[in-house]
Order: sequence, then C-alpha cells, then structure tokens
Amino acid sequence: GNSVTQMEGPVTLSEEAFLTINCTYTATGYPSLFWYVQYPGEGLQLLLKATKADDKGSNKGFEATYRKETTSFHLEKGSVQVSDSAVYFCALLTDSWGKLQFGAGTQVVVTP
Amino acid sequence: SAVISQKPSRDICQRGTSLTIQCQVDSQVTMMFWYRQQPGQSLTLIATANQGSEATYESGFVIDKFPISRPNLTFSTLTVSNMSPEDSSIYLCSVADGRRGSEQYFGPGTRLTVT
Repeated sequence: GNSVTQMEGPVTLSEEAFLTINCTYTATGYPSLFWYVQYPGEGLQLLLKATKADDKGSNKGFEATYRKETTSFHLEKGSVQVSDSAVYFCALLTDSWGKLQFGAGTQVVVTP
Repeated sequence: SAVISQKPSRDICQRGTSLTIQCQVDSQVTMMFWYRQQPGQSLTLIATANQGSEATYESGFVIDKFPISRPNLTFSTLTVSNMSPEDSSIYLCSVADGRRGSEQYFGPGTRLTVT
C-alpha cells in the first residue's frame, strides 16, 4: 500500500537556521507529492507541490525536489523565521480520485 | 485557489448527541472530502463526497456514524452521530477540481470536544 514517512519532531531551531524535514514515500505508479503547513489553531495550507520526477516545488522560501530514485521529497528552507513555527505534513496523491495519504507531521519550533 | 468556510468553528457537545458540520466553498468543485485529525495526530480521510452520488467511506468509517450530504457543487455537511469522547477531534473538509494530480484546499476545521 501507499505510505508516507516523515522525520519525527519536534524540530527546534534558532531564527535564520537551515531547515530540512525528511519525507520518503512508498507508492505504486507515479504519485504527485505535496507539502502542507498547519499553523497553530488553523487548517492546512498548501505549501508546495511536485507532480513528476525531478520537479522542484517552491513557495515562501521553501523548496522540495521530487526524487524518484530515492522516493523522497525533502522540504528545505535556507533561513527560517519565528513565523515558520508550525506543523508540516508531507502527502502523496496516487489516483485521480483525490485521496491524499498524509505523513504523521513534523512540528517545527523556531526560537528568536 | 478556492475559499472554504466551515461552521461551527468549534463546539463542545455532550455524549450521545449529534453535531452537523457545514462546509461551504466559494466556487463549484467536483470533489469534496472530509478528514478527521485526532489530537496531535495526522489527518485521516473519512469519506469522499461527490454531488449526485452516495459518499464513499474509508475503512473504519460508516455511514450510520458519519452521514454526509452533498446537495450541490458548493456545499456539504458531515454529521457526527451518537458522539463519544473518542470523537473529540478536528474535522476538516477539503476540495479538489478532479484533475489528475491536482491539489486539495482545506477549510479551517471544526474543533469538536465531546464531554
């Protein structure tokens, strides 16, 4: 079956540090991959996506590259801010019916 | 992207009662989904609600417990029936346009506490 594995949190960083959140997946076929972010007390927001191998999604300084050979979609940001404190979810979509499979989520805490 | 609203935003309910959650979208969408997010957990899909057909439920979720309506292309409801404290969760609706690989957009969620 399909699955998404994320690194466990919480990840605690100082402001301006480099952030990496690892995400690997298992899926049949050619999934689309997504990163969602959930700020405290809010719903999920789409952060970025990639729909085929070697695609790079980017938004708000965050990047992730779809690596088919390593079945990975790691999220990176070069310089985090306190406002980036949130829970980040990696997700995959394997069919046209829109069934998203989510990872467990990684909490990121950025301190001043 | 679609703008999605949910009502209520939060509620505290007594065991044995039912709550209906509404999801409204500002544009017509093909597909709507209902998810549950238990405290500190990831999201679990409850069901897919497409207009004009019965909702499709995921394993572990049944219609008697979570009846869903989808009367048109901009609106859906989820009812949590005969609630117990284990139903305390955030319930989120999401929408997608049905194109292959298209992203989903989420509502702000309904935070339910059952006492």
